[in-house]
Parts: sequence; structure tokens; C-alpha cells
Amino acid sequence: ETGVTQSPTHLIKTRGQQVTLRCSSQSGHNTVSWYQQALGQGPQFIFQYYREEENGRGNFPPRFSGLQFPNYSSELNVNALELDDSALYLCASSAPGHNSPLHFGNGTRLTVT
Amino acid sequence: KQEVTQIPAALSVPEGENLVLNCSFTDSAIYNLQWFRQDPGKGLTSLLLIQSSQREQTSGRLNASLDKSSGRSTLYIAASQPGDSATYLCAVIYNQGGKLIFGQGTELSVKP
Repeated sequence: ETGVTQSPTHLIKTRGQQVTLRCSSQSGHNTVSWYQQALGQGPQFIFQYYREEENGRGNFPPRFSGLQFPNYSSELNVNALELDDSALYLCASSAPGHNSPLHFGNGTRLTVT
Repeated sequence: KQEVTQIPAALSVPEGENLVLNCSFTDSAIYNLQWFRQDPGKGLTSLLLIQSSQREQTSGRLNASLDKSSGRSTLYIAASQPGDSATYLCAVIYNQGGKLIFGQGTELSVKP
């Protein structure tokens, strides 16, 4: 059983650019969520997708957007990058059913200069 | 506002010591609580999940307890080892399929 995989592992972008981060969910998981973790902080919820529909969003501006595909893989897109967007971006997936724990990938480290 | 707080922010102990990490949450109406481990620059590894109806969960040397009424959870690590060195994060969910709300974590260092 493969776990949650994210790509790329590291990325450097310039302020104002756009970035796409990718996530492959763990097999059998139909829910994916994205979190932003600044250095020394706990992760902050960005949004969640279930069956290709967004079904929850945290306190992030519209320039943060996402997609979930029929195979349950997912993308996080960030437009007009700002310096404060520098963080570790974590993808998590969970299986159907009550109280299924979230399984996280190793994240993408984004640096905006 | 729903918040999660973890104390202490950092902890250093000698190998072999038993230790307790603390987590508190402001709104006690949680759906479940999960403890994670994070190694430097890595993702999160789920350690234990406690449902709101449960009082504790155990896995090997780890034991997590939950007291909803007081808004607290503890993670007990027995006979600590240098390999336990990591940041430990506590997170709560308030409804099925909802978002995780994390604490800032406790950075644990176990010295040989």
C-alpha cells in the first residue's frame, strides 16, 4: 500500500509568480486536504476536497485554489505569490468512514524570494 | 474561537525517562483528537486517534488520554529513547470530515 506522495519536495519561486503543488492520495482514500505550515508553527487548514468537490475552506484568500481528480489525486495552486507564502505545504488523505485518521505526505517546501 | 495549545513548547530529557506532553483545547465539543509526530522537514505521522467517546488509546510505549470536560489530552511516552526525538503535534476535529485544528507542537529531545 503506497502512502501519500507529494511533488516536488522543494521549490523556489519569485514573488508574483504562480505555483502548482501535487499530491497522490493513499490508495482507497477519497478525501484530500491541504495544510500550510510556517516554520515553528502547527499546520493551518487551507481546504478539503471530497469526490472532486471543495467541501471546506480555511482562512486563505482566493488566490489559493485546488483541484481533485477522479483518481483522487489533487493539486494546490497559488497565484500571485507573496513572501509570506513561504512554508511547508502538506497534503493529507483519509478513507471513507467515521473517525478515519488523516495520513500526511512529506510535504513540499516552498520558498518565495 | 477554537484553539489548541501545547505545553511545553520544548522538552529535553535523558534516555529512559517517562514523560508527558500536554494538549488543551478551548471548545470541548470535539469529534476526535489525534496525536502526530513530525521529524525535521518531514510530514506528519499519525500516532494515536482518540474518539470523543473514548478516554484513552495505547500503542506500544505511547498512551494518549482524553478528558473532554476539562478540554485536555496528554501523551505519555514510556522509557523514552533518542529515536523519539521529534516534534509532537496535537490536533482536534469538531465534526466528521472536518478540518484539523493543530497546536503549535512540543519539540522533544531525548539525550543518550
